[in-house]
Amino acid sequence: EAQVTQNPRYLITVTGKKLTVTCSQNMNHEYMSWYRQDPGLGLRQIYYSMNVEVTDKGDVPEGYKVSRKEKRNFPLILESPSPNQTSLYFCASSLSLIDSSYEQYFGPGTRLTVT
Amino acid sequence: AQTVTQSQPEMSVQEAETVTLSCTYDTSESDYYLFWYKQPPSRQMILVIRQEAYKQQNATENRFSVNFQKAAKSFSLKISDSQLGDAAMYFCAYRTQGGSEKLVFGKGTKLTVNP
Repeated sequence: EAQVTQNPRYLITVTGKKLTVTCSQNMNHEYMSWYRQDPGLGLRQIYYSMNVEVTDKGDVPEGYKVSRKEKRNFPLILESPSPNQTSLYFCASSLSLIDSSYEQYFGPGTRLTVT
Repeated sequence: AQTVTQSQPEMSVQEAETVTLSCTYDTSESDYYLFWYKQPPSRQMILVIRQEAYKQQNATENRFSVNFQKAAKSFSLKISDSQLGDAAMYFCAYRTQGGSEKLVFGKGTKLTVNP
């Protein structure tokens, strides 16, 4: 089954404790992205990757890191989480062709709470 | 920068009736893509319908159709014969051309379907 998986689905942690949210897709997609969803704000892009070893900042990158060592994986790293990073996080992937309208497939979401 | 506005935070509709969700956007680009995503209580992001800006014909997917007015930068979603399973948050999204392939989301409209 074609899918984007995220782990963990739920995480409660404390301020300053480094954490990683994993994202994996099995569709051989080139493009992957991370969004955060906050009430009343919709979804905002954190980071994206056009291909292996190619990553760039989205609209709200502060406090986050990413890496793309393999095509299928795109982990989101919070080196020192703070309460304002409490949010619902989505990973998404798609084929990446210029001027394409390929659908972005979303993972199931990760609910993160930082106390 | 592109922006997407959904002016209706909440809407309700009777089962079997028709409802229209509004979306406007601001952009200086001439070619782009527009999407409606559905987010049920499970939080999964589900693509409902997409529209290519260069196409004048409005997209249709079963009970879902759009009214795309490019000059007015308007992209409304019409749901016909509403069903209880249509109850969800609906997000309008704009996809930038090239570069980040970022989806710019509106803040969402919560749709309630009354039996």
